[in-house]
Amino acid sequence: NIVMTQSPKSMSISVGDRVTMNCKASQNVGNNIAWYQQKPGQSPKLLIYYASNRYTGVPDRFTGGGYGTDFTLTINSVQAEDAAFYYCQRIYNSWTFGGGTKLELK
Amino acid sequence: QVQMKETGPGLVQTTQTLSVTCTVSGFSLTSYGVHWVRQAPGKGLEWMGIIWGDGSTNYNSALKSRLSISRDTSKSQVFLTMNSLQTDDTAVYYCAEGTMVHWGQGVMVTVSS
Repeated sequence: NIVMTQSPKSMSISVGDRVTMNCKASQNVGNNIAWYQQKPGQSPKLLIYYASNRYTGVPDRFTGGGYGTDFTLTINSVQAEDAAFYYCQRIYNSWTFGGGTKLELK
Repeated sequence: QVQMKETGPGLVQTTQTLSVTCTVSGFSLTSYGVHWVRQAPGKGLEWMGIIWGDGSTNYNSALKSRLSISRDTSKSQVFLTMNSLQTDDTAVYYCAEGTMVHWGQGVMVTVSS
């Protein structure tokens, strides 16, 4: 079974900073990765699909990258509303989630 | 527009069977799959399984022996059934449309002895 490992588990960032979080797959998954944002008490929201495609309406400060086993989600010029948990997910065959990264604002 | 809503029992006893219903609108269950995802309190997301438009299913291998996903296309409903519940099955249970763009609001299920 594929394991998705996210790092760091949490990060504290100032508004306006750039932040990159990581997701590592235990096997080659090609570009079959999605990223979600989840705020407390809310359902997850799709941000990125197929590793680098921004879903409709997602601000362009969110950028996904990577292929194979190593993936990144970068947020340029973090805004206050970006404070949330972020999850990567392998899509197709088994839709395994990573453990998540908590983004806090200083 | 696509809408999804989960309904469930709220509280279930250990060793019993959980049944949660996802009622959808805005798309056909014969055209799109529906996933089930759960989230224990303070924990991350766990994918449970999917029922595809053709009615076939895929399950998380860790839950496969206890889990069943079925549907009633005439009622636009998808059902999650999981037996032999334990306290660590306490979670919010979500259904999501096949692309995972659309999610329900989730239903909290507490398993208690």
